[in-house]
Amino acid sequence: NAGVTQTPKFRILKIGQSMTLQCAQDMNHNYMYWYRQDPGMGLKLIYYSVGAGITDKGEVPNGYNVSRSTTEDFPLRLELAAPSQTSVYFCASRSTGAHEQYFGPGTRLTVT
Amino acid sequence: DAKTTQPPSMDCAEGRAANLPCNHSTISGNEYVYWYRQIHSQGPQYIIHGLKNNETNEMASLIITEDRKSSTLILPHATLRDTAVYYCIVRAASNDYKLSFGAGTTVTVRA
Repeated sequence: NAGVTQTPKFRILKIGQSMTLQCAQDMNHNYMYWYRQDPGMGLKLIYYSVGAGITDKGEVPNGYNVSRSTTEDFPLRLELAAPSQTSVYFCASRSTGAHEQYFGPGTRLTVT
Repeated sequence: DAKTTQPPSMDCAEGRAANLPCNHSTISGNEYVYWYRQIHSQGPQYIIHGLKNNETNEMASLIITEDRKSSTLILPHATLRDTAVYYCIVRAASNDYKLSFGAGTTVTVRA
């Protein structure tokens, strides 16, 4: 199993540009999560999904959108990039009934 | 969700046990204690969780006080690879397991 994979690893965006951060898992997990981590801080939940077709907001959803058309994929969309979105983004997944979340390696995004 | 308090940093000698404290004095009866760690620049890694009883796995032991207001994560034989930020998180299982990470404890294992 590859586990949770994220692409790209690094990206630099200009203010106002848009992009999609990709997340995929091959463990057939129903639950998937997107977090962001600002320098020196803990992770904050952006969006999460309890299964294909179902998504919900987390703690800091403004400026982001998600979709979940398949069990495997959970892309995060930034429509109008702002400097405040400079962060490291982590995707995670969890099996129904399990406590453990599995995290991907992260995407480091810089908006200038 | 209950708030947690951890020391910002601690050092540990290689080969010795590392004892990481966490205070969660407002924990509710249905809230679990989770520990994750984050090695520099990597995604967080699950370590262990518990509700009331002490727990042990291949990575660590979790000791929860009888009143559940505090807990200790024990790394029995710390190695240099255990240098990381350790997060103590309290969360109700009914809340879709959404995790809220604080600043954690930066643990440095020294040779």
